[in-house]
Amino acid sequence: EVQLVQSGAEVKKPGESLKISCKASGYSFTNNWIGWVRQMPGKGLEWMGIINPSDSNTKYSPSFQGQVTISADKSISTAYLQWSGLKASDTAMYYCARHLRDGEYRRLDYWGQGTLVTVSS
Amino acid sequence: QSVLTQPPSASGTPGQRVTISCSGSSSNIGSNTVNWYQQPPGTAPKLLIWTSDQRPSGVPDRFSGSKSGTSASLAISGLQSEDEADYYCAAWDDSLYGWVFGGGTKLTVL
Repeated sequence: EVQLVQSGAEVKKPGESLKISCKASGYSFTNNWIGWVRQMPGKGLEWMGIINPSDSNTKYSPSFQGQVTISADKSISTAYLQWSGLKASDTAMYYCARHLRDGEYRRLDYWGQGTLVTVSS
Repeated sequence: QSVLTQPPSASGTPGQRVTISCSGSSSNIGSNTVNWYQQPPGTAPKLLIWTSDQRPSGVPDRFSGSKSGTSASLAISGLQSEDEADYYCAAWDDSLYGWVFGGGTKLTVL
């Protein structure tokens, strides 16, 4: 069974750093990209970026380029999303999702349960 | 401002059929298939329709999708109370080389 299990909720102060994780199981981690999606309180889904775990090649949405870093450790089937200086506006739920590519067809088919990040002084 | 355009809300009574539209452009819906996600309150999004009209196993056939040109739609027939949720369309964008989402449609079962 494919599962993506994310790390727990975090409460941080502005300016602090943070790294959240997404552990994959039930499939070959290096065969599919992993994407990250932000959902601010009461708002819609926003694609942040994507990583190919086999070579750690990443692509960021222009809105998030330079604001976050996506990485992966294929030895432990885990992807990461990190910030070096959090802002109050980073308060949101963050989801990881498996990007499945089947020929010309793509989908984010399995999602983690989400990690709630709260940034407040 | 989302790249894909959805109505913010939709509603229907139990048993009715409702449709939700999703409009994009040539670089996303016009070039790639559309996926739909269902997100009940307080839960993670769940894949509902993929490749514009395919259902993952376990999704009732009351849910169906279609695509034409740069637009897509999700139809829900035999509406049930448990269908109350937010629904999002998504497509790969060739210009962005990434995913774009609709703003979401809140479905209310009256």
